[in-house]
Amino acid sequence: NAGVTQTPKFQVLKTGQSMTLQCAQDMNHNSMYWYRQDPGMGLRLIYYSASEGTTDKGEVPNGYNVSRLNKREFSLRLESAAPSQTSVYFCASRAGGGTQYFGPGTRLLVL
Amino acid sequence: DAKTTQPTSMDCAEGRAANLPCNHSTISGNEYVYWYRQIHSQGPQYIIHGLKNNETNEMASLIITEDRKSSTLILPHATLRDTAVYYCIVQRGGSEKLVFGKGTKLTVNP
Repeated sequence: NAGVTQTPKFQVLKTGQSMTLQCAQDMNHNSMYWYRQDPGMGLRLIYYSASEGTTDKGEVPNGYNVSRLNKREFSLRLESAAPSQTSVYFCASRAGGGTQYFGPGTRLLVL
Repeated sequence: DAKTTQPTSMDCAEGRAANLPCNHSTISGNEYVYWYRQIHSQGPQYIIHGLKNNETNEMASLIITEDRKSSTLILPHATLRDTAVYYCIVQRGGSEKLVFGKGTKLTVNP
């Protein structure tokens, strides 16, 4: 039981490049989330998916798109990366209660 | 969801109890108090949550005041591995959104 996994662990992009961050959970959870964390700050919600086939915006959705591929997988796409998107990205999942389970994070540097 | 107020940082001696306070004076009746921690730059880890009653698990105890306007997370015997940022979050039952503040940076000293 791996919990929540994220790939890649690290990525360096040039401004304007695109990439997709992958997230998968093996806990059969309905809800999945993408957060970003900037240095010295708390986590901020980018997008979430309450169930397969649905997605909703969080606090900071601009510049991102998401896909809930199936119940297990929730991807985050940066179409045209900007230096302001340099951050650590965390994926999380949640079962019926309120507890969220987080992945190890993806560290992204946009030059 | 109600906002929370936590001290920016705290210190604790190894082996002693760490008591982390949280104020949530605008909490509503259907809102739970959750605690998570983040060790170094890892993903946040769930610790404990409660509604009205005090709660205890293998990691910590949660004490919620009778008026529910504040709570305290207690790590009974802090170790160096408990050094982390601790987040107190108030969340409606079934709500999709966790709102993270800046948390309390707990340093456990040898």
